[in-house]
Order: sequence, then structure tokens, then C-alpha cells
Amino acid sequence: DADVTQTPRNRITKTGKRIMLECSQTKGHDRMYWYRQDPGLGLQLIYYSFDVKDINKGEISDGYSVSRQAQAKFSLSLESAIPNQTALYFCATSDSSTGTETQYFGPGTRLLVL
Amino acid sequence: GESVGLHLPTLSVQEGDNSIINCAYSNSASDYFIWYKQESGKGPQFIIDIRSNMDKRQGQRVTVLLNKTVKHLSLQIAATQPGDSAVYFCAEQYGNNRLAFGKGNQVVVIP
Repeated sequence: DADVTQTPRNRITKTGKRIMLECSQTKGHDRMYWYRQDPGLGLQLIYYSFDVKDINKGEISDGYSVSRQAQAKFSLSLESAIPNQTALYFCATSDSSTGTETQYFGPGTRLLVL
Repeated sequence: GESVGLHLPTLSVQEGDNSIINCAYSNSASDYFIWYKQESGKGPQFIIDIRSNMDKRQGQRVTVLLNKTVKHLSLQIAATQPGDSAVYFCAEQYGNNRLAFGKGNQVVVIP
């Protein structure tokens, strides 16, 4: 969905490096999420934010941190990357005013940690 | 392309036939369900949703059926086309407005 953009789309890094993945949205949604996806597995929630001042841990937050710089921006950081963080990372947004949790996803960032 | 579908159950369908993709959900308190489509190298895309007070909902070429008694959800795609080849997964909404996602089913359309 072009309304949710992620940068970079692909990234190769080395063990121990700090990296940041960025997400921006023009949908005007208040809620934003970060997921990782591994082959053959479902989406796993890393962190989520219901508004600019709200940050919550998901199922697999260890080794990750996030920052909600503005309603439209939500970044994910790997403080010290390790090989098992190699995965596809997706950002998603939702609009709490709809009363449902329909989430809209960005195109993903493919991360390889060597 | 990205191997999102690696090791997933695979449904092979002849072009023009109907497809049925199944999903078992876990939480009897879930009150909202969504089907997503994920094409190779892309993010999941919303297809159709259904609330728990309904048992059927139709969209364009897609129908979702909900059986709350056995906690089962299905997605039917009519007249399957090559562009329908993708991984399909369901999601259920439960407490605190969270979504839980299934692992997905790979659909391969045979021309």
C-alpha cells in the first residue's frame, strides 16, 4: 500500500551494528505497528503504538526499540544486530475510530544480518 | 521472490476453478476477522473482513464464511485467476484491539 512506506527496502548489516528501519504513513491513522515475518511463520508483533505518547511491547520485543516521532512516523531500531534477526519487517497502521483493528501494511524491509 | 510461503500448506488450483482456503482460530472471544493476501515480495493486503455477528460476507469474487461453533473461517475465491497466486492468511481480533495472525496458506494457480 503506497500510503505506508518503509525505508530501506533491503538492508545488509553485520553482527553488532545498530540499524534503524523507518516507517511513514499518509493515511492519518493513529495506531502503528512493527512486525517481523520469518519463512513459514505468521507475523509476530514487535512493538505497537496507539498514539504519539504511547509505546507498547509486543510478543518479541527483546533486542528491539522503537520511536514514535510523530503520528505519521514510527521507527524500529536494532541496537546490536544479531543473525537471528534476519527477517522481513513490516510496518502497519490502523485507525481506532473505525472500531476495528484492520491493519494496513507497508511493503516491508528485508534485513540480512551477517 | 521472497519465500514467505516456504513450508506452508499449498493449494494448487486450476485457473477458472473456485478456491477455498481454511483457517482455524483460537480465541472464542474474538469478535472480528480479516483475510489478507500477500504476494511475493510485497506486504500483506487487506481482502475482506467479517464481524462475529455475521456468518457470511461477500466481496468482489471473494466470500468469507464464519463458523463460530467450531472456530473456523474460510475464504472462497470464485473463478481463480493467475493474479490470485499468493499466500493467504487470516487474522482474529481479540482483547485490547490486538490482531493474531495465522501462518497462512500458499495458493498456486495453474494456467
